[in-house]
Amino acid sequence: EVQLVQSGAEVKKPGESLKISCKASGYSFTTYWIGWVRQMPGKGLEWMGLIYPADSDTRYSPSFQGQVTMSVDKSKNTAYVQWSSLKASDTAMYYCATTGIGVAGLAFGNWGQGTMVSVSS
Amino acid sequence: DIVMTQSPATLSVSPGERATLSCRASQSVSSDLAWYQQKPGQAPRLLIYDASTRATGIPARFRGSGSGTEFTLTISSLQSEDFAVYYCQHYNNWPPLTFGQGTRLEIK
Repeated sequence: EVQLVQSGAEVKKPGESLKISCKASGYSFTTYWIGWVRQMPGKGLEWMGLIYPADSDTRYSPSFQGQVTMSVDKSKNTAYVQWSSLKASDTAMYYCATTGIGVAGLAFGNWGQGTMVSVSS
Repeated sequence: DIVMTQSPATLSVSPGERATLSCRASQSVSSDLAWYQQKPGQAPRLLIYDASTRATGIPARFRGSGSGTEFTLTISSLQSEDFAVYYCQHYNNWPPLTFGQGTRLEIK
């Protein structure tokens, strides 16, 4: 069974750094793109980017380029997204999701449970 | 960037009736389109990919159609568990792979 288990909720202050994680199991981690999606409170879904674990090829949405850094640790079957200096506007639920497993193209067929990030002074 | 526009923003339908949700792309995305369902407090769930292929375990009452720039998600005979927010997303000519703004399907 494919599972994506994300790290727990975070409460941070503006200017702090943060790295959240998404641990994958039940499939070949390096074979499928894994992506991140932001959902601000009461709002819709925003595609942040994709990373290919085999070679860490990363494609960012222009809206998130330079704002976040995506990475993977193949030895831990885990994907990460990190911020070097959080802003209040980063307050949101962040989901990881995989593409391609039993699904053609780049639709997100499996999702993590989400990590809530709250940034406030 | 390709802009995805969903309509209507909110759709009120009675249980047992049919719901028709629309998604329009600002340029052709061929059939590279997915539909997701999101219920309050839950992660999104993939319903349809490649515009018309149901994902594993999705009931046959969910039907996707369209290609190019115009797409439709039809839910026949609405069940109580179908009332949720629905998003379309393209995966053609990326990045980015943009989502529509969502359609809230509510009980009439």
